[in-house]
Amino acid sequence: DTGVSQDPRHKITKRGQNVTFRCDPISEHNRLYWYRQTLGQGPEFLTYFQNEAQLEKSRLLSDRFSAERPKGSFSTLEIQRTEQGDSAMYLCASSPLISGGYNEQFFGPGTRLTVL
Amino acid sequence: RKEVEQDPGPFNVPEGATVAFNCTYSNSASQSFFWYRQDCRKEPKLLMSVYSSGNEDGRFTAQLNRASQYISLLIRDSKLSDSATYLCVVTDPQTGANNLFFGTGTRLTVIP
Repeated sequence: DTGVSQDPRHKITKRGQNVTFRCDPISEHNRLYWYRQTLGQGPEFLTYFQNEAQLEKSRLLSDRFSAERPKGSFSTLEIQRTEQGDSAMYLCASSPLISGGYNEQFFGPGTRLTVL
Repeated sequence: RKEVEQDPGPFNVPEGATVAFNCTYSNSASQSFFWYRQDCRKEPKLLMSVYSSGNEDGRFTAQLNRASQYISLLIRDSKLSDSATYLCVVTDPQTGANNLFFGTGTRLTVIP
């Protein structure tokens, strides 16, 4: 399968615990994005990387959230001291870096987080 | 104010019907516009881009009105397989395609 993959698909944790999610983009895609989607809402942008550089962060990304893409390939999203409000689907997307026009973002299946 | 506003529906239509979805966006500087489709418990997938001149892809027609900051999607001859949530998407004018603003989505159910 050459699509975007995410792991785990589901995560249940207790409030206050730390969680980490992984995203493997489509190979040769330079750009990687993280979004959060809650029930009944569209995805909300969190952050994006071009290769290993984190170029944009939403104000939604509080200090408890950190994302990395150390080698410009896979990325991790860590949430520290989880809160019930963090319960959501965390979506990863990737796109190629092609000059001019819109580069379609391909989404992974998401990691569904439930904070008890 | 949200960057993209959509009627969440739900829209329940019989097979074969024509259905239209609309959305409005707040930033007149936005450059690119799309409709994404999201099936239940699945990831969003690009359905089609929306161009100023309007564009058609089979049974789907998308239109953009920049003056009114309004985007529409028309589905003709609805099929059962069209049942999904349709997300109106606009790029952030400050970051371009690197940041997508999604509407809440409009849920469509096509009934046999």
